[in-house]
Amino acid sequence: AQSVSQHNHHVILSEAASLELGCNYSYGGTVNLFWYVQYPGQHLQLLLKYFSGDPLVKGIKGFEAEFIKSKFSFNLRKPSVQWSDTAEYFCAVNVPSASKIIFGSGTRLSIRP
Amino acid sequence: DTGVSQDPRHKITKRGQNVTFRCDPISEHNRLYWYRQTLGQGPEFLTYFQNEAQLEKSRLLSDRFSAERPKGSFSTLEIQRTEQGDSAMYLCASSPGAASSYEQYFGPGTRLTVT
Repeated sequence: AQSVSQHNHHVILSEAASLELGCNYSYGGTVNLFWYVQYPGQHLQLLLKYFSGDPLVKGIKGFEAEFIKSKFSFNLRKPSVQWSDTAEYFCAVNVPSASKIIFGSGTRLSIRP
Repeated sequence: DTGVSQDPRHKITKRGQNVTFRCDPISEHNRLYWYRQTLGQGPEFLTYFQNEAQLEKSRLLSDRFSAERPKGSFSTLEIQRTEQGDSAMYLCASSPGAASSYEQYFGPGTRLTVT
């Protein structure tokens, strides 16, 4: 069965700091990978996705993620965070032959103004 | 707003009561999903529909839970004889039945509190 691990439960950064959130998944075959974000009081939104092709994917609001197949990782990065990036971030995986998405437990990001 | 909508947004019920939630997916999305999210966890898959057919159910979906999508549009999730452990956020998502179907669009959720 697939699973997703997000090792950082809560990350606190100052504005303009660089961000990297870790995500590892367990599945030996082809996967689709996602990062979803949940801003306070709002619903889950897709930040970026990887289906195939260039392993470096760019999403909304300056976020990017790199798929490293050999490490089963899909880390999320942003070079300079803003206070408005305060949110919960979920990494997720989907096996192309299935429909359900498996989510990690999430990382809460707090940005100090 | 043409996104996924859910009703009600909040529900407080006493243990043992039945509750029903509704989800309206994005128009023309033929896949509809239900997830449950508890505090400090990511969403967990419950079930999904392709049009009106319920194609997969998680082991989390005990026999007290039932979901329907009778006309292939909106869906309902009913929990019978609620228990305190059912307290959670119930999320609905939809996706088009095409190559992009793996991208799911989420609604705001229904927060259930069982007292």
